[in-house]
Amino acid sequence: ETGVTQTPRHLVMGMTNKKSLKCEQHLGHNAMYWYKQSAKKPLELMFVYSLEERVENNSVPSRFSPECPNSSHLFLHLHTLQPEDSALYLCASSQERPGELFFGEGSRLTVL
Amino acid sequence: AQSVAQPEDQVNVAEGNPLTVKCTYSVSGNPYLFWYVQYPNRGLQFLLKYITGDNLVKGSYGFEAEFNKSQTSFHLKKPSALVSDSALYFCAVRDFPVENAGNMLTFGGGTRLMVKP
Repeated sequence: ETGVTQTPRHLVMGMTNKKSLKCEQHLGHNAMYWYKQSAKKPLELMFVYSLEERVENNSVPSRFSPECPNSSHLFLHLHTLQPEDSALYLCASSQERPGELFFGEGSRLTVL
Repeated sequence: AQSVAQPEDQVNVAEGNPLTVKCTYSVSGNPYLFWYVQYPNRGLQFLLKYITGDNLVKGSYGFEAEFNKSQTSFHLKKPSALVSDSALYFCAVRDFPVENAGNMLTFGGGTRLMVKP
């Protein structure tokens, strides 16, 4: 059982829809992350929040909008996505030290 | 900038034989190194890490990894492979962390391990 919970596990949306991915961590960590995993590509870091402040926005298109209302919750708001945005979106959390990330099971997104 | 290379897309090994999954890295300072495993339709699970100290690191499920600074490598090993070890393995690295900046890991492309009975 993972200490990082992601919902929904699967999401199918049209290009004009607005949806959100949710992540909740029960580990008392102070940093949270969104990664994108596409077929045949390395994991791509999208956003990092540390102490509820965004510290990294890795050139992600504005159609992806993160929100971190507190240290336990992280959202990824999606709107007007493209089919190439179809991927597995992974949430992770960590302490500042020693540094390993703990991942959720991922949200599989399909954009039609 | 930090980077990680996993030169093998796939490694095949027979059950009971030793396995090695290769990883090389590039960082500007002292590296923090990690191995993760991913089973189908699952997230990444942490296996082990090297921060400092003994170059041979032991982790979950009987896996270990050897840090070699001169070769900038951190290969994952297991003395006797199991069919259940078949999965996707990722090596990751980060430079010495910056305060309050999270832990931005850079991942390799992954190596698929196939263990055959």
